[in-house]
Amino acid sequence: AQKVTQAQTEISVVEKEDVTLDCVYETRDTTYYLFWYKQPPSGELVFLIRRNSFDEQNEISGRYSWNFQKSTSSFNFTITASQVVDSAVYFCALILNTNAGKSTFGDGTTLTVKP
Amino acid sequence: EAQVTQNPRYLITVTGKKLTVTCSQNMNHEYMSWYRQDPGLGLRQIYYSMNVEVTDKGDVPEGYKVSRKEKRNFPLILESPSPNQTSLYFCASSLQRPPGNTIYFGEGSWLTVV
Repeated sequence: AQKVTQAQTEISVVEKEDVTLDCVYETRDTTYYLFWYKQPPSGELVFLIRRNSFDEQNEISGRYSWNFQKSTSSFNFTITASQVVDSAVYFCALILNTNAGKSTFGDGTTLTVKP
Repeated sequence: EAQVTQNPRYLITVTGKKLTVTCSQNMNHEYMSWYRQDPGLGLRQIYYSMNVEVTDKGDVPEGYKVSRKEKRNFPLILESPSPNQTSLYFCASSLQRPPGNTIYFGEGSWLTVV
């Protein structure tokens, strides 16, 4: 069975601090995809990134960066120089290639960035 | 504009009164799915559909039904709603099998069952 764990329920930082959101996943499959979504206070879900299991390259997009490590089954998300607009709930998700219809989400991490 | 549209966005209903939450996408996507979001539990998948007339259960299908008679629509049916189905519901779609394709989410439907 697949599982996604976001151990940090809530994180609070002051603006301009860097913050890392952890995501640990469990699967026996060798081919899978990992996702991060952002849910701002308005409630919609915003896609941030998709990474397949064969691509362990870290990725940077502006102030966002992702660190994928298969050895530790982790796909962590770092926001550099956080801003108040980054305040949201962030979800990590896993989809197996062998059962592409099913998706497993973590419970989410609520990030609060204070001015 | 590419979008996934859910209706209603907000609904308060009574226990046992059948209701349908509609979901429509205008992107000709094959894959559609329903999730519910509860505090502290993240998103849990209810049902998904790989294509027309093809549906399958997610992790929490009890108390729900779906149908996929046409590609653009994937309604979620609560035959006899109960208070434990009070939740925020999301519909989603993607071009084909999700892993290689971005999943687009609707804006969510807040459902309260009293």
